[in-house]
Amino acid sequence: QLQLQESGPGLVKPSETLSLTCSVSGASISSSIDYYWVWIRQPPGKGLEWIGSIYYSGRGSYNPSLRSPVTMSVDTSNNRFSLKLTSVTAADTAVYYCARHHVLTVYGMDVWGQGTTVTVSS
Amino acid sequence: QSVLTQPPLVSAAPGQKVTISCSGNSFNIGNNYVSWYQQFPGTAPKLLIYDNDKRPSGIPDRFSGSKSGTSATLGISGLQTGDEADYYCGTWDSRVSAWVFGDGTKLTV
Repeated sequence: QLQLQESGPGLVKPSETLSLTCSVSGASISSSIDYYWVWIRQPPGKGLEWIGSIYYSGRGSYNPSLRSPVTMSVDTSNNRFSLKLTSVTAADTAVYYCARHHVLTVYGMDVWGQGTTVTVSS
Repeated sequence: QSVLTQPPLVSAAPGQKVTISCSGNSFNIGNNYVSWYQQFPGTAPKLLIYDNDKRPSGIPDRFSGSKSGTSATLGISGLQTGDEADYYCGTWDSRVSAWVFGDGTKLTV
């Protein structure tokens, strides 16, 4: 059974870089040619916001509306993928989820991690 | 303000049916597939509906989805207190090249 698990620091200072990792178990990222790996966040009391999606090859697409620069990467050797947000502000405080969606958007986001809370504060 | 518009709150009695609307435009709902997610407090969202009206394995047929033009609807029949949650619609938006979600609807039973 596919499982995703986020990890990373729970507290980041303003203007610094937020780095999170999603570990994948139950499936191989490098073999999952039909799927994108996704980061989504949810600010306190608010809705869901797509951050970006990355393919096993490393090709990524990011939300153009995000204020903080975003980088995503894939580590197929360790079966995980990562997110970096630079120059964060308090507005980046949120629960961050990793998830998966099929290359065909018809199938939605079918598997989610449990989420990790990140607070941006000095 | 999200690209997709949902009512913030809906309520109904146990056993009844409720519908949750999701309104968009031709760049998102009008020309792409809608999915719906259920989220209980403190937990991750869960896929309820994909391809506008399909249910993943394990989702009861009390949950249904439909789409017409630039709007989509989630229906929940035979309401149970355990259905109390936040519900989100989502789809791809071709104009901004991004996945977009509604602000969510809180269901009270």
